[in-house]
Amino acid sequence: DAEITQSPRHKITETGRQVTLACHQTWNHNNMFWYRQDLGHGLRLIHYSYGVQDTNKGEVSDGYSVSRSNTEDLPLTLESAASSQTSVYFCASSTGTPSTGELFFGEGSRLTVL
Amino acid sequence: GIQVEQSPPDLILQEGANSTLRCNFSDSVNNLQWFHQNPWGQLINLFYIPSGTKQNGRLSATTVATERYSLLYISSSQTTDSGVYFCAVGVLETSGSRLTFGEGTQLTVNP
Repeated sequence: DAEITQSPRHKITETGRQVTLACHQTWNHNNMFWYRQDLGHGLRLIHYSYGVQDTNKGEVSDGYSVSRSNTEDLPLTLESAASSQTSVYFCASSTGTPSTGELFFGEGSRLTVL
Repeated sequence: GIQVEQSPPDLILQEGANSTLRCNFSDSVNNLQWFHQNPWGQLINLFYIPSGTKQNGRLSATTVATERYSLLYISSSQTTDSGVYFCAVGVLETSGSRLTFGEGTQLTVNP
């Protein structure tokens, strides 16, 4: 079955370190998204991509970057981790056709920055 | 950007009860989805419903796009329905759609 997987599922790091969260989907979806979820804020969009070599900033993109070198993967990089980036991160994908934007999520990655 | 408000923020039910969750949004949209986040944190797509009514078992949803709201109905609730229900809205463009999420409704179903 097609799916979307995230790794690592749990990570603890220190302030100032670079961290990369991986997202891999086998749906062959054009569109991929990264959200963060914090108590009191629901899910907020960090970055998204509508296809290979395309990346766009979301509402909370400061301190994060993404790259899209193939259809299947959209890694999220925290250049210099800060305690404010402690959160649960969700990757998602969708088909991207004009007629539907149904979104499917990975299982999440819990990041703790000490 | 689009504002999304969900109500109620919290809801506690006895098993077997029915409930209605509401999602109001501030602007015209043509992409609206309901998600359930279970107690283990998994986000499950329930409905893709930019307009009209859909039903899936005990769950159904209605979106009145012209009046900028959507309703999620849960009938004969079960303990497994517990979790957070999110409404998300967006505008479909040529390449795709970015969704803005509401804060969610925390549902607890007691046995």
